[in-house]
Amino acid sequence: SQTIHQWPATLVQPVGSPLSLECTVEGTSNPNLYWYRQAAGRGLQLLFYSVGIGQISSEVPQNLSASRPQDRQFILSSKKLLLSDSGFYLCAWSVREQETQYFGPGTRLLVL
Amino acid sequence: AQSVTQLDSQVPVFEEAPVELRCNYSSSVSVYLFWYVQYPNQGLQLLLKYLSGSTLVESINGFEAEFNKSQTSFHLRKPSVHISDTAEYFCAVSVNTNAGKSTFGDGTTLTVKP
Repeated sequence: SQTIHQWPATLVQPVGSPLSLECTVEGTSNPNLYWYRQAAGRGLQLLFYSVGIGQISSEVPQNLSASRPQDRQFILSSKKLLLSDSGFYLCAWSVREQETQYFGPGTRLLVL
Repeated sequence: AQSVTQLDSQVPVFEEAPVELRCNYSSSVSVYLFWYVQYPNQGLQLLLKYLSGSTLVESINGFEAEFNKSQTSFHLRKPSVHISDTAEYFCAVSVNTNAGKSTFGDGTTLTVKP
């Protein structure tokens, strides 16, 4: 069966520090991968999606970046965090040409 | 581009009462429709989906939703809710593209009171 992992589960970082959140998927090949942010009391905002290794599409301009160094690994990064980067970050995957998305447990990021 | 509107941000109900969470969408092409549920401090889980065929879809825990093309709606219903149904519910829409991107509504918080 397929599983998706995210770490860390919780992170507290000072403003201006770097960020690296990791997401890995097991049990499937060539998944589409997604990064979402969920701010408090708000819905999901799609940040990045990827249809293959090294292929990243950005949905909104921001100081975050994403990379996909391996087929089942998706990394969300920042060189300098802002207060507004605080939120709940969710990674998800889907099978190509099917639309259901499967979500990881999330990482709660607090920037102070 | 498609969009989703969840008409109620908060829905409080008493246990064993019926509930309806409303979702409307807009799109110029055919869509797939989803309801996801998020329990506190967890990721989202698929509750049910409409891809094609019968417009009434059901989940294993008693929820159902009906795709209404003329009203562009996909409302979620349950005839009798439990305390354990307390969660946030997201409606989502996607079009038949290879990327499988979905557009999510802002969510509805369902609170079931004893």
